[in-house]
Amino acid sequence: QKEVEQNSGPLSVPEGAIASLNCTYSDRGSQSFFWYRQYSGKSPELIMSIYSNGDKEDGRFTAQLNKASQYVSLLIRDSQPSDSATYLCAVMMDSSYKLIFGSGTRLLVRP
Amino acid sequence: GAVVSQHPSRVICKSGTSVKIECRSLDFQATTMFWYRQFPKQSLMLMATSNEGSKATYEQGVEKDKFLINHASLTLSTLTVTSAHPEDSSFYICSASPTPPGEQYFGPGTRLTVT
Repeated sequence: QKEVEQNSGPLSVPEGAIASLNCTYSDRGSQSFFWYRQYSGKSPELIMSIYSNGDKEDGRFTAQLNKASQYVSLLIRDSQPSDSATYLCAVMMDSSYKLIFGSGTRLLVRP
Repeated sequence: GAVVSQHPSRVICKSGTSVKIECRSLDFQATTMFWYRQFPKQSLMLMATSNEGSKATYEQGVEKDKFLINHASLTLSTLTVTSAHPEDSSFYICSASPTPPGEQYFGPGTRLTVT
């Protein structure tokens, strides 16, 4: 069973702090990793993609990938109340292009 | 990013009727689209992979005769929920990628309520 694991949260951080979201995956052969944000009642919105080990930065967001540890994370700097949402980690595990999603981490940013 | 649309955004139907949901890629062509279902407070569950010009591939446990998928063109896939029942009430979302196996973009979703 190919799995993607996330802490369900909620992760509560004060406004302006760094939020750190983590994800582990089971298939060592996975090559593509994605973070989506989903507001309540809405569909997922792509935030970041990462394909190689290391860090990838885009504005306030940084994705980190460590394939040896089968671990991917998302850092949100200067967190804002509008960042409050569920963050979904998704892994593309084989050539079928299918995404396997974690259960999501709910982030609450306190004003 | 690429734009994916869905129609309708919300539909209410009576038990036993069929409902068709459309998924369109607006600014790119998609040979493959994906259909997901999401129940309240749960994550997305992949239902099927829609392939342009060929049969869809269904995930284990998804009834292919109940959830009919047609991918007739490079920009349109449809999901028909046949003989809908209240337990089919859910949030149905499609996705597609302009550059497989790269980033996938989701449509806004269709909320189905079966009474």
